Amino acid sequence: VLTQSPGTLCLSPGERATLSCRASQSINSRFLAWYQQKPGQAPRLLIYGASSRATGLPDRFSGSGSGTDFTLTISRLEPEDFAVYYCHQYGSALTWTFGQGTKVEIK
Amino acid sequence: EVQLLESGGGLVQPGGSLRLSCAASGFTFSNYLMAWVRQAPGKGLEWVSGISGSGSNTYRGDSVKGRFTVSRDNSKNTLYLQMNSLRVEDAAVYYCAKSLGGDLYGFDSWGQGTLVTVSS
Repeated sequence: VLTQSPGTLCLSPGERATLSCRASQSINSRFLAWYQQKPGQAPRLLIYGASSRATGLPDRFSGSGSGTDFTLTISRLEPEDFAVYYCHQYGSALTWTFGQGTKVEIK
Repeated sequence: EVQLLESGGGLVQPGGSLRLSCAASGFTFSNYLMAWVRQAPGKGLEWVSGISGSGSNTYRGDSVKGRFTVSRDNSKNTLYLQMNSLRVEDAAVYYCAKSLGGDLYGFDSWGQGTLVTVSS
C-alpha cells in the first residue's frame, strides 16, 4: 500500500512543493515512479526509479527517497504545475499499486 | 512518435460485457509490457491488468480477477481488455499504458482513455 501526504497542498507560484509517498513495506527504489495528471488528461510520467527524470521534464522536478519513504519536490511552482500527483509502485509478478494522489492547488 | 488509441467504451448494463481495444503505433509493440489503468469519476488511478511483451504472462488486480482478461495481438499492434460480469463500480475511464521497457519500471506513454459506463 502506498500512502501519499498531504491530500491537498495549497501553495503559490514560485513556492516549493514537497510531496510524500510512504510504502507499507520497504521497496526497491527502482520500482517507484511519480506521475502528474491534469483535469481531463491522461497521467504523465515524471520520475522513475525514484529519482530519474522522464525525458523532457524540467529540472525543477526531482525525486528522492528509499526504503519506505519517497519524496517528489518541485523547487519553484510554475502555473502549469498545479495538478494531481500520484506515486506508483511495481510489486511482484507484474502488479502495480498507485497512491491515492496529492492535489497541488493554487493558494 | 508513440501513439496509443483506445476504443470500445460505452454504456453497458450490470452483468454485461465489453471489449476494449488499444491500437499502438510509433514503437516496436511486442518489445513492451502493456497495462490497463482505470479512473472512476473523481477518483484516483487504479491498475487493472498487465501483459508481457510476448503475451505469455498476464496479471490482473484483485478487483477484476475472474472477470477481466487482458490479451494482445502483436501482429496487429493492439492490446485488448475483455470485461465480463461488469459491475457499477467498474465504471471509469480506462487507459492503456506502455511500459518504459528493459529494466525500468513506469509507464511513459498513455492513451487518451475510453469511458465505460455501467448502469441499468
